[in-house]
Amino acid sequence: EVQVVQSGTEVKKPGESLKISCEGSGFNFTNYWIGWVRQKPGKGLEWMGSIFPGDSDTRYSPSFEGQVTISVDKSINTAYVQWGGLRASDSGIYYCARAREQWVADAFDIWGQGTVVTVSS
Amino acid sequence: DIQMTQSPTSLSASVGDRVTITCRPSQTINTFLNWYQQKPGKAPQLLVFGASNLEGGVPSRFTGSGSGTEFTLTINGLQPEDIATYYCQQSYSRHKTFGQGTKLEIK
Repeated sequence: EVQVVQSGTEVKKPGESLKISCEGSGFNFTNYWIGWVRQKPGKGLEWMGSIFPGDSDTRYSPSFEGQVTISVDKSINTAYVQWGGLRASDSGIYYCARAREQWVADAFDIWGQGTVVTVSS
Repeated sequence: DIQMTQSPTSLSASVGDRVTITCRPSQTINTFLNWYQQKPGKAPQLLVFGASNLEGGVPSRFTGSGSGTEFTLTINGLQPEDIATYYCQQSYSRHKTFGQGTKLEIK
């Protein structure tokens, strides 16, 4: 089965660091762009950025550049997004998703279940 | 970045109705336009890619059309299970922006 499975719920305090993950299976992970999408409570979808595991080419939304780091370990078919110092405004659901076609940063056809991140003192 | 504007932001319709959602990018994007459906508490699902191509398994009552700077998603014969929020997304530029969403409710 083609799927991406995300790491579990996180509850953190402001200023703490965090790294969440997205593991792909059932497809050639190296050849597909993986995107990250944030959804704040009750709000819409925000594209954060995408990474191509084959060469780690990474693109960030201007809204997220410098705020998060997207990375990948292709040896274990896993993509990550990390924060160096969380803020309450980082609370939300974070989805990873696979691009529909190999090599092409196109529509996302396979979505993870979402990782809930809560940042609160 | 390309800004994506959806209209309406919310919509109430009856079972069996024809429903149309519009998406307008701030610049031309050829047909690099995708539509997603998100049901409450669930991850989004791809409905339409490349403006008019139905993703596998999506009911044929969903139709996407348009090019350039105006796109539409049409549901012909609304069903109760279509209650969701619908998002457009452009995949033309390096930065893949979403529209703000259209929340669809049943009357």
